[in-house]
Amino acid sequence: EIVMTQSPATLSVSPGDRATLSCRASQYISNNLAWYQQKPGQAPRLLIYGASSRATGIPARFSGSGSGTEFTLTISSLQSEDFAVYYCQEYNYWPSFTFGPGTKVDI
Amino acid sequence: QVQLVQSGGEVKKPGASVKVSCKASGYRFTKFGINWVRQAPGQGLEWMGWISVYNGNTNYAPRLQGRVTMTTDTSTSTAYMELRSLRFDDTAVYYCARDYGDIPTPFDYWGQGTLVTVSS
Repeated sequence: EIVMTQSPATLSVSPGDRATLSCRASQYISNNLAWYQQKPGQAPRLLIYGASSRATGIPARFSGSGSGTEFTLTISSLQSEDFAVYYCQEYNYWPSFTFGPGTKVDI
Repeated sequence: QVQLVQSGGEVKKPGASVKVSCKASGYRFTKFGINWVRQAPGQGLEWMGWISVYNGNTNYAPRLQGRVTMTTDTSTSTAYMELRSLRFDDTAVYYCARDYGDIPTPFDYWGQGTLVTVSS
């Protein structure tokens, strides 16, 4: 069973700051890693797929990197609308999927 | 545009069953897969299972195997998720989400969510 871990659990930042979120897989997943953003009361939104490709309509301030077991989501300059919970998800073992526990980005 | 519209909230007693629907529009329903993901209050996302709309193949999360059934109706472009023997800890928002159905891809479109409350 693959386990996804995320750190930190909570990231306290200010608007304009750079935010770096980490995700680790317990097994090799190549680049089959996605990042989602979820705001209160809303469904998750796909931000990044293939570890580093932005989904349609996602601003360039969001970037992803990594391969294998270690991955990073970077938000280059936080906007007010970026305060949310971010989840990583592996899809290497499709059609089984595993989410990480999430990182809350708050002010 | 692609839309996944889910049925309304439900309140069920422990031991009962619930069936949530997810109506798709704006794309060819049979070319994609449908996943179900749930989120308990204040908790993270839990993947429940996947169904290929094309051939009906399913893959369920081991902890839900035996209690969950996913189906589709291609005539109405609707996916269904039935969860049986409900327990208090099944209280959650249930989401449907689309993937590409035949290759490893993440979930690019999500339904709005359906709150299922299990209460005596």
